Amino acid sequence: AQSVSQHNHHVILSEAASLELGCNYSYGGTVNLFWYVQYPGQHLQLLLKYFSGDPLVKGIKGFEAEFIKSKFSFNLRKPSVQWSDTAEYFCAVKKGSNTGKLIFGQGTTLQVKP
Amino acid sequence: DGGITQSPKYLFRKEGQNVTLSCEQNLNHDAMYWYRQDPGQGLRLIYYSQIVNDFQKGDIAEGYSVSREKKESFPLTVTSAQKNPTAFYLCASSIPMRTNEKLFFGSGTQLSVL
Repeated sequence: AQSVSQHNHHVILSEAASLELGCNYSYGGTVNLFWYVQYPGQHLQLLLKYFSGDPLVKGIKGFEAEFIKSKFSFNLRKPSVQWSDTAEYFCAVKKGSNTGKLIFGQGTTLQVKP
Repeated sequence: DGGITQSPKYLFRKEGQNVTLSCEQNLNHDAMYWYRQDPGQGLRLIYYSQIVNDFQKGDIAEGYSVSREKKESFPLTVTSAQKNPTAFYLCASSIPMRTNEKLFFGSGTQLSVL
């Protein structure tokens, strides 16, 4: 069965540290890839997405993610985190030919210390 | 303001009781989804609907039922057959276009068993 795996469940960083959150998926065909974020007390919202083209995608608030097809990975990065980045981050994958059915990873809680 | 409204915010269920979670959207989206969020497990898809009067089972549909009689509404019933209903339930909607799909989430309903 298709699955999405996020390696880090809880990450604690100091402000200005660099961030990389891992995401791997198991589906071998064409995929669409997403990172969603849930800030404390807020709705889940889209951070960035990859459908095709340049495998390095840029999202809101300085986040970026790189799709490496050979590694089945879509890691999220930010060069310098801020306290306001404290949130829960979810990687999600959708099969390219199957509309609607997003498979989410387990989520990573990021805590940034001021 | 356009968005997704879930109600109630908190819900308590007695043993053997069916309860219904409401989800309404005014975004004119065709597709709607129900996810269940458990700590450490991310979001798991319960049911989804691509169009009015049609819906499909997700990965964990057992013990749940839905209806989609109106485009704006996608209520979820947690039946007595669901043995472990305590979780955070998220409703989402989208315009299921393959190249620009983005989920919009509601604020969620926390269901607990008395």
